[in-house]
Amino acid sequence: GQNIDQPTEMTATEGAIVQINCTYQTSGFNGLFWYQQHAGEAPTFLSYNVLDGLEEKGRFSSFLSRSKGYSYLLLKELQMKDSASYLCAVRDSNYQLIWGAGTKLIIKP
Amino acid sequence: IAGITQAPTSQILAAGRRMTLRCTQDMRHNAMYWYRQDLGLGLRLIHYSNTAGTTGKGEVPDGYSVSRANTDDFPLTLASAVPSQTSVYFCASSESGDKGSPLHFGNGTRLTVT
Repeated sequence: GQNIDQPTEMTATEGAIVQINCTYQTSGFNGLFWYQQHAGEAPTFLSYNVLDGLEEKGRFSSFLSRSKGYSYLLLKELQMKDSASYLCAVRDSNYQLIWGAGTKLIIKP
Repeated sequence: IAGITQAPTSQILAAGRRMTLRCTQDMRHNAMYWYRQDLGLGLRLIHYSNTAGTTGKGEVPDGYSVSRANTDDFPLTLASAVPSQTSVYFCASSESGDKGSPLHFGNGTRLTVT
């Protein structure tokens, strides 16, 4: 079966750096997405990786290793507004998105 | 402001009743999707449409139907609601179903079936 694994919950301190990991086992690979979802709101697109390596977008970076079935989202200079759930999703060989259950990130002052 | 509009925002529905969740986008996106989100589970695809006039079944299609008469609208119908359909429903769209095309989500419909 297809599977996306992420930690359920993480806690970090304002101003610090946090890395949220995602491992996947899917039938084929056509890209990996990261989304942010604040409580009670819709998911919003953060990043897309299809080739190995690091993609940087301001305070957020996303890394992909296709051979290891692994990605991480790196958040720097954490702010209180970064408290949210972070969803990892992989497009499989049929171009369908397979979603992880999300990682709830709690930021403490 | 361009985006996706879902209605209603929330609804309490008696079991056995029929209900249509509405979804409209003004971005001229080809692909549209319906997901349900339940606590502790990832988003699960109910139905999708890659272009107007076509629809397909997702991971959890039973008890739901969709239509795509035009580019903008993608309603989801529960023919006879059951309590297990209590969930948050998200409609989403993307420019295409291709690799890098990100999904844009509506604000969701919270449905409670009693």
